[in-house]
Amino acid sequence: SAVISQKPSRDICQRGTSLTIQCQVDSQVTMMFWYRQQPGQSLTLIATANQGSEATYESGFVIDKFPISRPNLTFSTLTVSNMSPEDSSIYLCSVAAGVRGSPLHFGNGTRLTVT
Amino acid sequence: AQKVTQAQTEISVVEKEDVTLDCVYETRDTTYYLFWYKQPPSGELVFLIRRNSFDEQNEISGRYSWNFQKSTSSFNFTITASQVVDSAVYFCALSEAQQTGANNLFFGTGTRLTVIP
Repeated sequence: SAVISQKPSRDICQRGTSLTIQCQVDSQVTMMFWYRQQPGQSLTLIATANQGSEATYESGFVIDKFPISRPNLTFSTLTVSNMSPEDSSIYLCSVAAGVRGSPLHFGNGTRLTVT
Repeated sequence: AQKVTQAQTEISVVEKEDVTLDCVYETRDTTYYLFWYKQPPSGELVFLIRRNSFDEQNEISGRYSWNFQKSTSSFNFTITASQVVDSAVYFCALSEAQQTGANNLFFGTGTRLTVIP
């Protein structure tokens, strides 16, 4: 399965600032997915990032708050903008192992705390 | 609309006991995929199993077994002879073939399993 590296692994940020999370995959993948896991909660999809096109955001998530870049088939970034304490979560990058219906493999996540 | 329900929020068992984690799903798709993931205290998500909607065969992998029943829309996960290392949050997830976001998974709320030594 793909090896997914996320940076940073954790960070503590001040309210009003922005943090960019990087996701690097060791193989080329068509789709990358960004999920959020709020404390003690399940995972919620933020957006799907395709190379060469705009990311597709899920209901409740907007590009101004969570801009995403996907410059090539092995890399993506998610920015959490103008942070508030409610943004404190684990942010996870994931990629599909293959065709539709294949499992997603996840990076180790970025644990974000906003003070 | 799709939905995954894990009614058990937390379960505690004593080491060596068997435990079953329940998962009930809803979908209008005739082709769909079900998954189980494990999230240990370290936080990473570990893929355990995938089942497609046309394959109702139960599966066993070591101490893990899965029971898929379309008639009850359930995909339950049993750990036999539980061990402390099994302590984790377990997520059931669903992917629909017709959804626009290919491979997008909808996760249940998870079941936190604690195995007491």
